Amino acid sequence: DVKVTQSSRYLVKRTGEKVFLECVQDMDHENMFWYRQDPGLGLRLIYFSYDVKMKEKGDIPEGYSVSREKKERFSLILESASTNQTSMYLCASSFGMHGSNDEQFFGPGTRLTVL
Amino acid sequence: QQQVKQSPQSLIVQKGGIPIINCAYENTAFDYFPWYQQFPGKGPALLIAIRPDVSEKKEGRFTISFNKSAKQFSLHIMDSQPGDSATYFCAASMWGSSQGGSEKLVFGKGTKLTVNP
Repeated sequence: DVKVTQSSRYLVKRTGEKVFLECVQDMDHENMFWYRQDPGLGLRLIYFSYDVKMKEKGDIPEGYSVSREKKERFSLILESASTNQTSMYLCASSFGMHGSNDEQFFGPGTRLTVL
Repeated sequence: QQQVKQSPQSLIVQKGGIPIINCAYENTAFDYFPWYQQFPGKGPALLIAIRPDVSEKKEGRFTISFNKSAKQFSLHIMDSQPGDSATYFCAASMWGSSQGGSEKLVFGKGTKLTVNP
């Protein structure tokens, strides 16, 4: 079974703090994604990585950065957390071009609260 | 052009009913249309998916109907059960035509389904 794990289920941080959210997948997937999920807004893509050290901006990259130093690990960084970044953050991975479909496998999510 | 519009936002049915969730898209380059199911406290998981070369796909009690000319697709859940209560997301991508590095899904905003016993 594909497993996508996220470092924390719940996180509480203060405004201005630097926040790291970690995601690890164990299926040698090429693609990894970070989304945020807010009620009524669905899943919005923050950043996407299709290879080690490669990244693409998603729909809402402002206030976020990412790092992918190893294929299995994709980190989301909030350089200076703000209250409007309080949300559920979901990591996902997929096989990419060499897969048979575009299925994304999601982690359980990290609920981040910024006070 | 990249949007996928999903309706309704929420849906309540009785056990045994047939909830229908609809999605519409604009970008004719989309060629992969999955539905994801998300239970509270969990990440979304792929439920069923369709490609535009077929008009319908069934997997158990779940059916996708696809209308290419109308650029619409829908999810039907036959004989719905309380255990089907979840949030459902439709999505679309250009997987088959991607050049690499762009296998992104565009998600609808989700439908919260409640099936009462």
